Order: sequence, then structure tokens, then C-alpha cells
Amino acid sequence: QQPVQSPQAVILREGEDAVINCSSSKALYSVHWYRQKHGEAPVFLMILLKGGEQKGHDKISASFNEKKQQSSLYLTASQLSYSGTYFCGTEMEYGNKLVFGAGTILRVKS
Amino acid sequence: NAGVTQTPKFQVLKTGQSMTLQCAQDMNHNSMYWYRQDPGMGLRLIYYSASEGTTDKGEVPNGYNVSRLNKREFSLRLESAAPSQTSVYFCASSEPGSTDTQYFGPGTRLTVL
Repeated sequence: QQPVQSPQAVILREGEDAVINCSSSKALYSVHWYRQKHGEAPVFLMILLKGGEQKGHDKISASFNEKKQQSSLYLTASQLSYSGTYFCGTEMEYGNKLVFGAGTILRVKS
Repeated sequence: NAGVTQTPKFQVLKTGQSMTLQCAQDMNHNSMYWYRQDPGMGLRLIYYSASEGTTDKGEVPNGYNVSRLNKREFSLRLESAAPSQTSVYFCASSEPGSTDTQYFGPGTRLTVL
């Protein structure tokens, strides 16, 4: 079951914040976040595990609400380099294959 | 350390032609995957291989076959290409564990006329 990402697209100015959401109708074991720049391969950002802590590095962090089966990716003080498409991948049980959302296009303007 | 490599980068086929997409990884990972990416649909799993000698269907396996040649290499074959298979194909690898991070290759852009 493909997770639902929102919004589909967002345009920011440098320095602004953004939140990208990923929701599932099924209970989740983990949520993975990837970023893909235009014409390139997806690159891993972080993973959130059921029962785990909020993750983050630098100005990109994420949370996982197990009760709502929802994860949110927080981008703080956005930079031009944050532009790209963000995908969440969800895993319902340990060892299951990832199912990716349709992606959220983020564009940061100067 | 090249990570995950894919060949070719671009390919144009006519309907009914066959071809094989090659993927290799040098990270000694056990698991390998083939995805297709279409506009607005994210990444969809075609086939995966949990370890050398095993392969399993993913979400969209019809029209494709795979071979896990050895631990490093995982190929995807289109026996009779159709326009609906026009897409960008990504190979990925991972080492199963609590993080199970997937590392993606650069992709193959395939057009079927």
C-alpha cells in the first residue's frame, strides 16, 4: 500500500522552513526518507524506526508518530541545495520491502 | 569504491525488441533491487534479490525477468519491450539490518517506441 505524501510540491525562498508529510493506512515498522536531485539517483537521508527517537542532522530532521502512522520531514532555514524531490519509503514489518510514496517536489529560490 | 553502477545510461528500443540492463555493486551487499520510476508515481519495485541465488517479484514484475549472477551483479531483462515500459530504471543494493539503507545506481533511461 503506497504511502501518501503531502504536499505534492512546495516552493520556498532561502531561509524559509518546510514540512513534508508521509502517511500510511497500515501500521509501520519504519519510515525511510530519500532525496533525489534532478537527473540523479535517490540518496538516503534518514530512517525512523518504530519506538525510536526523532532523527536529524544539521537542519533536516524527521519524526515518526506511530499512533497516526505518519512521519514528517522538517527542513529548517532552507538552502538552495535542498531543492529536489523527497520520497518516503515505508516498511510494515522488519524485512519487508520498502514501498515508496509518489514524492514531494521542493524548490528553493534565492 | 564505485558503489552501484548501471549500464547502459540511455537506451532506445523498438516495440518487441529485447534487452538486458546490467547492475553491479562493490559494497558486498546481500540484497539487490530493481525499481522503475515514472512521473508522479515514485519508485516501484520490479524484482528483488535478498541474497545470491534468490529472486522474488515486487510490485510490478510483469514483462520483466531477472538474474542474480553472483553477489555483485543483478540484471534485468525485457524479453519483448512495450511502450508502457518506457521509464527510468534504478538498481539498488542494501545490507539487511535495522537500518537497511538502500544505495542507488545512477539509473538507465529507457524509451520504447
